[in-house]
Amino acid sequence: AQSVTQPDIHITVSEGASLELRCNYSYGATPYLFWYVQSPGQGLQLLLKYFSGDTLVQGIKGFEAEFKRSQSSFNLRKPSVHWSDAAEYFCAVGLNAGNNRKLIWGLGTSLAVNP
Amino acid sequence: NAGVTQTPKFQVLKTGQSMTLQCAQDMNHEYMSWYRQDPGMGLRLIHYSVGAGITDQGEVPNGYNVSRSTTEDFPLRLLSAAPSQTSVYFCASSYRSRSGAPEGTQYFGPGTRLTVL
Repeated sequence: AQSVTQPDIHITVSEGASLELRCNYSYGATPYLFWYVQSPGQGLQLLLKYFSGDTLVQGIKGFEAEFKRSQSSFNLRKPSVHWSDAAEYFCAVGLNAGNNRKLIWGLGTSLAVNP
Repeated sequence: NAGVTQTPKFQVLKTGQSMTLQCAQDMNHEYMSWYRQDPGMGLRLIHYSVGAGITDQGEVPNGYNVSRSTTEDFPLRLLSAAPSQTSVYFCASSYRSRSGAPEGTQYFGPGTRLTVL
């Protein structure tokens, strides 16, 4: 069965430090991959996505992610974290399902940023 | 564009009451979805629609009804509220790509926090 795993439930980093959030998926074909961010009390906002082509994708707010087929991973990175990056981060995999594209969601990683 | 709007933002119901959560989008998106978000369970799809007049069930449809009479609106109805339906509800929309399939990028509303006593 298709699944998305975000191994880290909660991560704390210091402001200015680098960040890597992990995402692993289980799917037989090449998936469509997404990272979303949810600030407290808000809806989800797309950070970046991978459909095909260059495996390193750039997103908003200085985030990037790299698709590694051999590791079934799509990890999110940021070189220098800002206090405003404190939020919940969700990885999602898009699967073609007939006339629809079904999204499989990870359970999220909560990021706290120390000043 | 207002994007995806949801009303109300907060709602408290008693067990057995019914209500409708409203969702509207002004981006002319064909695809719309309802999710619920619960601690430790992530986002779960309740119902979705691939266009006006067409709806289908997601992972957790029991206790909820939807309809899609227009492209813009996708209301979610709770027929007889239960405490297990206490959750945060998100509506999302997405557009069709050139290939005809949904592009996959979802635009989310701000959510409705529902408490059922």
